[in-house]
Amino acid sequence: GDSVTQMEGPVTLSEEAFLTINCTYTATGYPSLFWYVQYPGEGLQLLLKATKADDKGSNKGFEATYRKETTSFHLEKGSVQVSDSAVYFCALEPNSGNTPLVFGKGTRLSVIA
Amino acid sequence: GAVVSQHPSRVICKSGTSVKIECRSLDFQATTMFWYRQFPKQSLMLMATSNEGSKATYEQGVEKDKFLINHASLTLSTLTVTSAHPEDSSFYICSARPSSGDYNEQFFGPGTRLTVL
Repeated sequence: GDSVTQMEGPVTLSEEAFLTINCTYTATGYPSLFWYVQYPGEGLQLLLKATKADDKGSNKGFEATYRKETTSFHLEKGSVQVSDSAVYFCALEPNSGNTPLVFGKGTRLSVIA
Repeated sequence: GAVVSQHPSRVICKSGTSVKIECRSLDFQATTMFWYRQFPKQSLMLMATSNEGSKATYEQGVEKDKFLINHASLTLSTLTVTSAHPEDSSFYICSARPSSGDYNEQFFGPGTRLTVL
């Protein structure tokens, strides 16, 4: 079945460091890909998404490019801030229809000043 | 954007009692809503798919008599944890996708943290 694999954390970075969180997926067809962020004690917020190959999603300085050839959707940010500390989930939606998302296990990011 | 609310946000109950969690789409209609469960420091696991006007579809391993789902209208789905026990303590999150319009994503509620004593 469809699955998402993301790098295990926790990841600890100093402020202004470069961030990469790897995400690869297995799916049939052409899924949509997402990154969600969960701040402590809160629900999930959509960070960015891409719906087809070579699309780049971006938001709040975060970017991820849908790479069909490597089945990847790695999350990057050039300069992290303390406020970016959260858990990040990579997810896919198997079809464009009304289907549940398949989530990775999440990566906890801690940014220290 | 579209908003999904959940009520309550937190609930503490005694073992053996039942707890109802509501999931509402505030400004859109959704024929389908999804219920997820998140254990501490773990990912979201799909529990069931809630279908308006029909029975919910449960994932393997999820007890349908334990987790009752009712999707009585296009804007409301409820999850009732019956005879709750401490192992049911978890973070429950719902999501919904607008049935119409230009939205191309699912919207998540803020979650309900259930603690069973």
